[in-house]
Amino acid sequence: LAKTTQPISMDSYEGQEVNITCSHNNIATNDYITWYQQFPSQGPRFIIQGYKTKVTNEVASLFIPADRKSSTLSLPRVSLSDTAVYYCLVGDGDTNAGKSTFGDGTTLTVKP
Amino acid sequence: DTGVSQDPRHKITKRGQNVTFRCDPISEHNRLYWYRQTLGQGPEFLTYFQNEAQLEKSRLLSDRFSAERPKGSFSTLEIQRTEQGDSAMYLCASSPLSIRGLNTEAFFGQGTRLTVV
Repeated sequence: LAKTTQPISMDSYEGQEVNITCSHNNIATNDYITWYQQFPSQGPRFIIQGYKTKVTNEVASLFIPADRKSSTLSLPRVSLSDTAVYYCLVGDGDTNAGKSTFGDGTTLTVKP
Repeated sequence: DTGVSQDPRHKITKRGQNVTFRCDPISEHNRLYWYRQTLGQGPEFLTYFQNEAQLEKSRLLSDRFSAERPKGSFSTLEIQRTEQGDSAMYLCASSPLSIRGLNTEAFFGQGTRLTVV
């Protein structure tokens, strides 16, 4: 399984755009990149998933460069409720999320 | 279907006692996973099932831990002779059977918080 590296913590203010970058130098050809969000005392919640270039949904965007050795989760105009831990995982359709290693994630703190 | 449900939400037990947790996955999901999470750490994979078959177990899953998924529906995780080091959040997740090369997402329950005193 590809190892991922993320910043331990990030601070932001309400209304700002937040970009969290994840490094995954050993990503395999079949691997997808998935991001989860976790609030205290709750299970992780899927945010977004992608393979290459850019993916956008109603809550976030995911940017993946051509070499796929890193990815950036972009949260537009964050609010206080976006304060959470964000995890980056890589794996193929058989290993993604289910058997993937979460790592320690990035703790995002949004301030008023 | 309201998602993955876990029972109980909290469990306090004395060291040496046995405990059992239950997970009810999303009904059409073939795959079911168990994770353990301690404070300040990310979830750690324990085991997963495809239907009723337990396909993989982590080295974290000692002999005191056993998981079952009879009939491929709900699952139970039992810890025998609990130790203080077993105190953690135990998370269950489910996902549909992936088609090779396509992505799947896992849906997590809210977890069972175990405290061993």
